[in-house]
Amino acid sequence: EAGVTQSPTHLIKTRGQQATLRCSPISGHTSVYWYQQALGLGLQFLLWYDEGEERNRGNFPPRFSGRQFPNYSSELNVNALELEDSALYLCASRGQGELYGYTFGSGTRLTVV
Amino acid sequence: TQLLEQSPQFLSIQEGENLTVYCNSSSVFSSLQWYRQEPGEGPVLLVTVVTGGEVKKLKRLTFQFGDARKDSSLHITAAQTGDTGLYLCAVNFGNEKLTFGTGTRLTIIP
Repeated sequence: EAGVTQSPTHLIKTRGQQATLRCSPISGHTSVYWYQQALGLGLQFLLWYDEGEERNRGNFPPRFSGRQFPNYSSELNVNALELEDSALYLCASRGQGELYGYTFGSGTRLTVV
Repeated sequence: TQLLEQSPQFLSIQEGENLTVYCNSSSVFSSLQWYRQEPGEGPVLLVTVVTGGEVKKLKRLTFQFGDARKDSSLHITAAQTGDTGLYLCAVNFGNEKLTFGTGTRLTIIP
């Protein structure tokens, strides 16, 4: 069974540009979660998508947005990039039921210069 | 804001030693998960604990859920270099998003 896949692995952008990050969940998982992990910091919740809808959002500005497609894959968009947006962006999917842990992808390392 | 505090923040020990790391919250939770993250990778689920006072063992790792369901510990026996990584506890506080602790960065010295 394929795990959660994220692309690209690395992304370098200039301040002010837009970045698009992609995630494919495990087959059968309908929920996709996005987290930001800045260097030396913990995981901060960004967005949760389920069945194509945004279900919850973390404490991030509106320039962080995304969507979920009919095949449950997801896209995270970051507009007007700032230097402090440099981080590892992790996507996770989850099976049904609270007891099932999240399965994470390997992340996209975004560097804003 | 519901927080999960982990301690210690950093831990560096010799191979073969034992260690314990902690995860604490001011809120009660129904279940807690432990993850390990290696550099350049996403966190990997180690265990989920559900019942207050529960103890789970995973080879040399022992996980305990506090009786009051507000804390948890992870004990590693005879640490190996492969145990090196960032250990994260995580809780769903009922709003369908997993809240992660501050993490313990463990380094095992050969």
